Amino acid sequence: QKEVEQNSGPLSVPEGAIASLNCTYSDRGSQSFFWYRQYSGKSPELIMFIYSNGDKEDGRFTAQLNKASQYVSLLIRDSQPSDSATYLCAVAKNAGNMLTFGGGTRLMVKP
Amino acid sequence: EPEVTQTPSHQVTQMGQEVILRCVPISNHLYFYWYRQILGQKVEFLVSFYNNEISEKSEIFDDQFSVERPDGSNFTLKIRSTKLEDSAMYFCASSEYGLGANVLTFGAGSRLTVL
Repeated sequence: QKEVEQNSGPLSVPEGAIASLNCTYSDRGSQSFFWYRQYSGKSPELIMFIYSNGDKEDGRFTAQLNKASQYVSLLIRDSQPSDSATYLCAVAKNAGNMLTFGGGTRLMVKP
Repeated sequence: EPEVTQTPSHQVTQMGQEVILRCVPISNHLYFYWYRQILGQKVEFLVSFYNNEISEKSEIFDDQFSVERPDGSNFTLKIRSTKLEDSAMYFCASSEYGLGANVLTFGAGSRLTVL
């Protein structure tokens, strides 16, 4: 069964703190890894993607990938109340193939 | 910024009726997708479309579903005979060819309510 697992949360952090979101996947053939943000009633919005083991930074966001452990994470530094949303992890095997989404982690950033 | 446009934003239909959901992908994108999200559940892949044919489809995408690119800009999802369980938000997405092929841009979604 090809699955992407996330803790549903909610994960509550104070404003200014680091939020750490985690995701595990079961298909070792997965090649591409994505983090999307979804506000309630809205469509997923791409935050960042990562293809290689290690860290990738983009502004306040850092994605971390460990293919051996089948684990991908997203760190959000200096969390803001506007970051409060559901964060979706998604994986794909090859370019052009489908994305398999996790159930999402709900993040709440408290002022 | 280029965007994926979906219509209608909300459609209410009776069980057994046919529904067509429409999408205008980003103009230079070559891959097109439909996903759906039942309220409170995961985003689920339905179908991907490339070079005027289906490239991959999920188990959800049965004979009741079809997709079409009737002209150079529109991409449609048809549900022939809707069921109650088809009630969901349907997202169209598109992506560029090549390394960025999986970097999907989603439309705002079409909410389908089947009564």
